[in-house]
Amino acid sequence: AQSVTQLGSHVSVSEGALVLLRCNYSSSVPPYLFWYVQYPNQGLQLLLKYTSAATLVKGINGFEAEFKKSETSFHLTKPSAHMSDAAEYFCAVSPTHTGKLIFGQGTTLQVKP
Amino acid sequence: SAVISQKPSRDICQRGTSLTIQCQVDSQVTMMFWYRQQPGQSLTLIATANQGSEATYESGFVIDKFPISRPNLTFSTLTVSNMSPEDSSIYLCSVEDRTSFYYNEQFFGPGTRLTVL
Repeated sequence: AQSVTQLGSHVSVSEGALVLLRCNYSSSVPPYLFWYVQYPNQGLQLLLKYTSAATLVKGINGFEAEFKKSETSFHLTKPSAHMSDAAEYFCAVSPTHTGKLIFGQGTTLQVKP
Repeated sequence: SAVISQKPSRDICQRGTSLTIQCQVDSQVTMMFWYRQQPGQSLTLIATANQGSEATYESGFVIDKFPISRPNLTFSTLTVSNMSPEDSSIYLCSVEDRTSFYYNEQFFGPGTRLTVL
């Protein structure tokens, strides 16, 4: 069965610092991978997705993620954190063509002034 | 992208009662899903709502507890039956339209925050 592991339930960075949120997946076939963001008391918003095209995926708000098959990873990065980036981030995997999403446990990003 | 609304946005219910949550999309979509997000937890898929037929439930979720309807391509309901405090969660509807440019992208509704006393 496919699964997703997000390393670190809480990540704290200073404003302007690099953001790195880690995600590892397990899958017997190349999956589709997603990063979602959830701001307080709001629904989920898609940041970016990997669907077997380019391994470096650029998303909204300056975020990007790199699919590394050898490491079964899909880490999310942003060169410079903004205060507005403080939120909950979820990595998710989808078995190809099923539409179902399996979510990781989430990482809370705190941005300090 | 699809615009999704859910009703109610929140509710407080007594144990043993049932609540029906509505999900409305502003355009026809091929796939609709229902997720649960328990307090401080991640999202778990409850079921895929199938248009014109019975929903497909994930392991651990049953139709008697979470009956789902999808009468057309823009609307679905999820009922939480015979509620207990353990059902206190945020319930989210999501959609995917495989005929559009946004193939393989799921859009989520704002969620329904349910508290069971």
